[in-house]
Order: sequence, then structure tokens, then C-alpha cells
Amino acid sequence: DVKVTQSSRYLVKRTGEKVFLECVQDMDHENMFWYRQDPGLGLRLIYFSYDVKMKEKGDIPEGYSVSREKKERFSLILESASTNQTSMYLCASSLPRAAGNTIYFGEGSWLTVV
Amino acid sequence: AQSVAQPEDQVNVAEGNPLTVKCTYSVSGNPYLFWYVQYPNRGLQFLLKYITGDNLVKGSYGFEAEFNKSQTSFHLKKPSALVSDSALYFCAVRDGFSGGYNKLIFGAGTRLAVHP
Repeated sequence: DVKVTQSSRYLVKRTGEKVFLECVQDMDHENMFWYRQDPGLGLRLIYFSYDVKMKEKGDIPEGYSVSREKKERFSLILESASTNQTSMYLCASSLPRAAGNTIYFGEGSWLTVV
Repeated sequence: AQSVAQPEDQVNVAEGNPLTVKCTYSVSGNPYLFWYVQYPNRGLQFLLKYITGDNLVKGSYGFEAEFNKSQTSFHLKKPSALVSDSALYFCAVRDGFSGGYNKLIFGAGTRLAVHP
């Protein structure tokens, strides 16, 4: 089974802090994603990566950056956390584009910024 | 633009009754459609997908979905609901304009409540 692991399930951070959310997948997937989930808005794509050191902006990249130094690891960085970044963050991975490759999700990281 | 609509915020069903969770989509080319389920405080779990072929797709936990091209719909169904099916359900469509990248566009989600 595919396993996508988000190391921190629940975090509380102060406004202005730099926050790191870590994600590791064990299936040698090329593609990795960071989504944000908010009630009534579904999932919105923040950033994705299609290879080591490669990244592309998603729909809501402002206030975030990412790092992919190794194929299995994809980190989301909040440079200066703000209260409007309080949310559930979901990491995901998949094989490259092909006829409907399934995207697999981690358990999520609940971030509260106070 | 690609989009997915889940017209119902919540669906209420009695245990043992059939359930339907609705999804409609808009894409430019052929759609790749997915259903995911999310239990409280958990990530999303893959249920099923439609790529091509038979319009009726069977997935995990007894769920199935019917692809209807003329109505641009991909409704999720189950013949007999269980209380344990209560969760948040997301429909998603593959973005055909994402180049080589397997991006999904998600609906807002539908909360399914199955009552004993």
C-alpha cells in the first residue's frame, strides 16, 4: 500500500513564526502535492513538484514556499505564519501523468496560528 | 475552465436505504473522475475512479459511481447505506490542461450522514 506520512498532525504556532510541514512518501512517486482544506471550499492546491528540486505554483501559493531535495520528501514552508493560514494541510503523491493515476493522501496536518 | 460541483452540502440517509451523492463536472476534453472519502480528522482515502470503458465503476466499501457523459455527471451510489459510511465525500476531476502533471480539481465536498 502507498504510504504518505505527515510527521506533524497538530501544530500551534504564533503569528510571524516560520513553520515547516514535512511529508514523506514510500512509493517512489515523481509527483508530490500540498493542498489546503477549508470548510466549504474543498481542497485547494498550494504547490506541486514533479521531480527533485522542481516545483510549480498551484492555485494559492501566496505566503507559502516548498522544498524538494529528495524524491521521497516534500516540505511546505510558511515563511511568516498568519492567522488566515490556520487550516488543514494535506500532502499527496502520485505517479506522473498517465491515464488517471491515483493521487494518494497523507493523514493531514492541522495548523493553528495564534 | 475545469470545474467540479457537488450541489448538496449534506445528504441524510437511513441505514439500509440506498444513497446517492451527486457530482457534476466541466472539462474541455475527456474527463478523468475520482471519488474520495474523508473520515473525521483523517486524510482523504481513494474510493474509485473513471478513466474509460464501462460507465458503471465499482470501488471500495461497496460504493459505485455512474459516469454520464450527456449529463456531465459522476454520481456516487451505494445500494444499502451503513452508519459507518457517515463521512465527507469529495468528487474530483483531472485537469486536462495541467501539462504533464497529474493535478486534480476538487469539489467542495458533501457530508453524508447515515442514521440508524
